[in-house]
Amino acid sequence: GAGVSQTPSNKVTEKGKYVELRCDPISGHTALYWYRQSLGQGLEFLIYFQGNSAPDKSGLPSDRFSAERTGGSVSTLTIQRTEQRDSAMYRCASSLNGGNQRQETQYFGPGTRLLVL
Amino acid sequence: GDSVTQMEGPVTLSEEAFLTINCTYTATGYPSLFWYVQYPGEGLQLLLKATKADDKGSNKGFEATYRKETTSFHLEKGSVQVSDSAVYFCALSDPNAGNNRKLIWGLGTSLAVNP
Repeated sequence: GAGVSQTPSNKVTEKGKYVELRCDPISGHTALYWYRQSLGQGLEFLIYFQGNSAPDKSGLPSDRFSAERTGGSVSTLTIQRTEQRDSAMYRCASSLNGGNQRQETQYFGPGTRLLVL
Repeated sequence: GDSVTQMEGPVTLSEEAFLTINCTYTATGYPSLFWYVQYPGEGLQLLLKATKADDKGSNKGFEATYRKETTSFHLEKGSVQVSDSAVYFCALSDPNAGNNRKLIWGLGTSLAVNP
């Protein structure tokens, strides 16, 4: 079946602009994660959605970042007033059911590479 | 907090050589441990995992054993192929962190295998 998809694959924008990144998780997966990977860094957690529960936003680096998940499926990550330090690969992952299942596996999309000039 | 440390790359090997990529972790509980791989031009994909001490994860000839006494999860393969050239990431998740099973990641190790 279809995997996790992300659009756009690449985005170049100017400092101060607004960007929107999209993630389509695997159908039926209730858990969705956003991560960011800056150059030379490991992936860092940004935000987690689980079903209709309130998201865990503890990883968002500033109030310029926000995300939503509509209908428990597609998610958009938005960055307002972009800065050069926001340049990174943004990765989305979904899993069947977040929670206490030790066998849980996260499936990743191809990522969106964001460059802020 | 929880953290993952893996050996720096790049690692360059000849085909059929033995591979070890070291990974150690710091965690307060009993994390689940993962190796993810990113082949050129592709997304991250799970390579193998282990969820409790002494478990061995294996896939595609790769193995890693969950060693609680040394807090390690080293990745090994007895004979690498050119097609194994990729970036390898070690990661952990804390099963005691509630429903959010976010992954904590190492920095990644780039492997290049020459024919």
